[in-house]
Amino acid sequence: EAQVTQNPRYLITVTGKKLTVTCSQNMNHEYMSWYRQDPGLGLRQIYYSMNVEVTDKGDVPEGYKVSRKEKRNFPLILESPSPNQTSLYFCASSFGVYLDTGELFFGEGSRLTVL
Amino acid sequence: KNEVEQSPQNLTAQEGEFITINCSYSVGISALHWLQQHPGGGIVSLFMLSSGKKKHGRLIATINIQEKHSSLHITASHPRDSAVYICAVRGGSQGNLIFGKGTKLSVKP
Repeated sequence: EAQVTQNPRYLITVTGKKLTVTCSQNMNHEYMSWYRQDPGLGLRQIYYSMNVEVTDKGDVPEGYKVSRKEKRNFPLILESPSPNQTSLYFCASSFGVYLDTGELFFGEGSRLTVL
Repeated sequence: KNEVEQSPQNLTAQEGEFITINCSYSVGISALHWLQQHPGGGIVSLFMLSSGKKKHGRLIATINIQEKHSSLHITASHPRDSAVYICAVRGGSQGNLIFGKGTKLSVKP
């Protein structure tokens, strides 16, 4: 089954404790991206990757890191989480970014709470 | 001012009604997405378009590039259409996506 898988789905952690949210897709997609969703603010893009070893900042990259060493995986790293990173996180992927390749497939979301 | 504005924020309709959700944007774009977020939180892609009109079942999406405006129409609405509908635009850097804040639709039986 074609899917985007995020882990963990739920996490409660404490300020400063490094964590990684994994994202994996099995559709051979080149484009992958991370978003956070907050009440009243909607979805905002954190980072995206157009292909292996190519990553770019979105609108809210501060406090996050990403890497794209393999096509299927795009982990989101919070080196020193803070309470303002408490949010619902989504990973998404697509073949590309053009009309015939740009349909987005989303993971189920990861709810992160930083105390 | 937000770069992507949706209206209305909230919409309640009776089953069977024709529904229109609007999206206006202020930046140059290469394409526009309409997404649906279910009450359980999952997000699915409905349309991606850069001109004209697309139709899938009871859903129709239109875009006017000159006016920087897109609409999502739902014909013969049904309670299962209740969800948040989100507009997102791809800017000049095509990997970048900017989202509207969503329109929460509730369809009553």
